[in-house]
Amino acid sequence: KNEVEQSPQNLTAQEGEFITINCSYSVGISALHWLQQHPGGGIVSLFMLSSGKKKHGRLIATINIQEKHSSLHITASHPRDSAVYICAVLPFGNEKLTFGTGTRLTIIP
Amino acid sequence: DTAVSQTPKYLVTQMGNDKSIKCEQNLGHDTMYWYKQDSKKFLKIMFSYNNKELIINETVPNRFSPKSPDKAHLNLHINSLELGDSAVYFCASSQRSGLAAASEQYFGPGTRLTVT
Repeated sequence: KNEVEQSPQNLTAQEGEFITINCSYSVGISALHWLQQHPGGGIVSLFMLSSGKKKHGRLIATINIQEKHSSLHITASHPRDSAVYICAVLPFGNEKLTFGTGTRLTIIP
Repeated sequence: DTAVSQTPKYLVTQMGNDKSIKCEQNLGHDTMYWYKQDSKKFLKIMFSYNNKELIINETVPNRFSPKSPDKAHLNLHINSLELGDSAVYFCASSQRSGLAAASEQYFGPGTRLTVT
């Protein structure tokens, strides 16, 4: 069992829909990252958070440390949001990121 | 302005060959990483250097040898390439590493290695 689990694995939605991607982890962490991998392969860091909530444009990331859970929300989704979204955690006492298996999001016009 | 660059972008080679992938960052970051992404798109760390010093060395075959001539460069040399080495290799950098100092990572565009 992976230390970082994401759900759903695949998500297809209509343009304009509100999207939620979930990440659960099993260890204590010092930080959690959300990454976006474009269809072309490039990886972009979206958020790094250790508590609470962060917002950037239409993207919102939340984390609940007690429940070991984070969510990534996309409001007013757009076809250009189609990508693989990857959650990664930095466990306490460890300098290595542990990655989830990713969520493939497809937004249909 | 490319923050983290890798060369080459694509690399096709035969089994048994030796090849290198180069990575450079112009962000002034202290820490650089090599990640491997397999065919199922799963990312896994291979190495990390902080100010030219190796700090993470995952269980990878010793055919893989990282070299950091300065803190802006981290190259990956692979000897005696095998079919299973085919993957996408990503370089990344961050401002600093450390147990309490998690910081955002910036990724290079990736190098798709195909071993035939």
